[in-house]
Amino acid sequence: AIQLTQSPSSLSASVGDRVTITCRASQGISSALAWYQQKPGKAPKLLIYDASSLESGVPSRFSGSGSGTDFTLTISSLQPEDFATYYCQQFNNYPCTFGPGTKVDIK
Amino acid sequence: QVQLVESGGGVVQPGGSLRLSCAASGFTFSSYGMHWVRQAPGKGLEWVAFIRYDGSNKYYADSVKGRFTISRDNSKNTLYLQMNSLRAEDTAVYYCAKDDSNGDYAYWYFDLWGRGTLVTVSS
Repeated sequence: AIQLTQSPSSLSASVGDRVTITCRASQGISSALAWYQQKPGKAPKLLIYDASSLESGVPSRFSGSGSGTDFTLTISSLQPEDFATYYCQQFNNYPCTFGPGTKVDIK
Repeated sequence: QVQLVESGGGVVQPGGSLRLSCAASGFTFSSYGMHWVRQAPGKGLEWVAFIRYDGSNKYYADSVKGRFTISRDNSKNTLYLQMNSLRAEDTAVYYCAKDDSNGDYAYWYFDLWGRGTLVTVSS
């Protein structure tokens, strides 16, 4: 199975900061990557699919980029409601797999 | 309202069985592939199983193959997960999730999630 690593595993940031999270795949996955946001006790929420396509209803401060093995999720100006854990997921190869998550908390 | 609502979780002894249900509403359930994804306490996400929109094909993670069975009843807009021979490592919140699929083609990412139901396997 394809392994996904995320960095950092956690970060502390302030409201208004630009935040970048990286996801690396153990082999090339084209652009078959999604990003999810999960808040404590809640279900994950789809933010980005196909590496850079913004899911309907998701604020434009979220963006994704990358292809092959290296991907990034960027939050251009962190808002209070963005403090959460973020997961990447590849769906190029069976079985689909998730990264270990990046926790974003308040500085 | 577009939503998925899971039920059926609880505490079960190792070796026991449990059946989870997921009631869908607000969209044409019979047109979409559906998944189960789980999350052990304090851990990350793990895909468990997938079923095509018409139930014709099913896929399972190696960790549950031969023990879990995914099924659906499109007349009832409901997804199921039959879990047998449960182990302590199956303890998790189980989410049902909708595939962002288009007819015969499944994309294998998840655009709608339920709130989850907790399964605890313990003696």
